[in-house]
Amino acid sequence: KAGVTQTPRYLIKTRGQQVTLSCSPISGHRSVSWYQQTPGQGLQFLFEYFSETQRNKGNFPGRFSGRQFSNSRSEMNVSTLELGDSALYLCASSLAGFDSPLHFGNGTRLTVT
Amino acid sequence: SQQGEEDPQALSIQEGENATMNCSYKTSINNLQWYRQNSGRGLVHLILIRSNEREKHSGRLRVTLDTSKKSSSLLITASRAADTASYFCATDGETSGSRLTFGEGTQLTVNP
Repeated sequence: KAGVTQTPRYLIKTRGQQVTLSCSPISGHRSVSWYQQTPGQGLQFLFEYFSETQRNKGNFPGRFSGRQFSNSRSEMNVSTLELGDSALYLCASSLAGFDSPLHFGNGTRLTVT
Repeated sequence: SQQGEEDPQALSIQEGENATMNCSYKTSINNLQWYRQNSGRGLVHLILIRSNEREKHSGRLRVTLDTSKKSSSLLITASRAADTASYFCATDGETSGSRLTFGEGTQLTVNP
């Protein structure tokens, strides 16, 4: 089975711009979660989607949004980028159960200048 | 703050030695998981231990869980240079609405 695919791998944006990141989960996985990883804050949960519905949301401002399509692919969008948004954004997919392990992609490295 | 906190933050050992990493958490959990991350890559699931289990093995990995102390440990036996990575514990405690909350990780370096 193909793993979780995240595109693009690297992105450089300037403050004020917006960005869209994409995640293709493992076939058959209906849950997709997004995490932000920074050296200072570690791994922070952004949101989780299941069957096109947001099931959980972390403590991030409304500039961070996401969606999931009927084929379980997911996108996250960050509007009005700030320098502090520079991070590795990780997507993970899993089966439906809450004790199912997460399968991570290799992330999108976003740099905001 | 993070649900899980790993200790130590960094660990450097020689090949062949054992490596032990500890994780403490704050609230009740259903299960605790350990993940590994190589530099700049995604996390890889290693092992899951449920709250009613005390110990679990997988290859060279041994995980223990003490729910009374809200702590877990990950032991890697006979370490190899390829084990060099960051190791994270993750819990499903009901904080911040997240499904899994990760600790800050232990950076393990295994010297050949």
